[in-house]
Amino acid sequence: GEDVEQSLFLSVREGDSSVINCTYTDSSSTYLYWYKQEPGAGLQLLTYIFSNMDMKQDQRLTVLLNKKDKHLSLRIADTQTGDSAIYFCAETNSNSGYALNFGKGTSLLVTP
Amino acid sequence: DAGVIQSPRHEVTEMGQEVTLRCKPISGHNSLFWYRQTMMRGLELLIYFNNNVPIDDSGMPEDRFSAKMPNASFSTLKIQPSEPRDSAVYFCASSSGQGNTIYFGEGSWLTVV
Repeated sequence: GEDVEQSLFLSVREGDSSVINCTYTDSSSTYLYWYKQEPGAGLQLLTYIFSNMDMKQDQRLTVLLNKKDKHLSLRIADTQTGDSAIYFCAETNSNSGYALNFGKGTSLLVTP
Repeated sequence: DAGVIQSPRHEVTEMGQEVTLRCKPISGHNSLFWYRQTMMRGLELLIYFNNNVPIDDSGMPEDRFSAKMPNASFSTLKIQPSEPRDSAVYFCASSSGQGNTIYFGEGSWLTVV
């Protein structure tokens, strides 16, 4: 299938902003998602963006989409230790029946 | 809403045994997905159903794996016989239709020894 790529690891200090990046290859991607997974838990939907948008903001979260470069980012403002988790980027499109195609996940470590 | 409910949460079984994982999707959702998560391969789609009908099972690793959805509120993923390489977290997810948000259960953590 099409690829979704993420960096594997990010470390930030508490209070700083975190930026997690994702690239994808499928030009027919319709929706792009960010999910969060805490240790031993399932996947929690954080936010999503439709492919005809370029930005979406939801409290401390900002999603930026550059459709031309097929680049998606998630910015977490004022990062807290509770934000430490694995963050997954995922895309869907009609070709795959809207099933999610995930990246490998970025482990975010927030240090005091 | 209770969310997607999976059982068992944890299972340890011996190689060769049959394993059955169960899922109850969110009420009213008509799309159901089974994913497998491993360190090496990340999250892989195994199979998904629309209106209880399997649409794409190309991700099912081999004939030892089978999935059913006898009605809109229940699905099973069966592994027979199980092997150590099947050890993984198996997630069930559901949505209210194609293109709508997909919600995940807490996962079934399977260890085959």
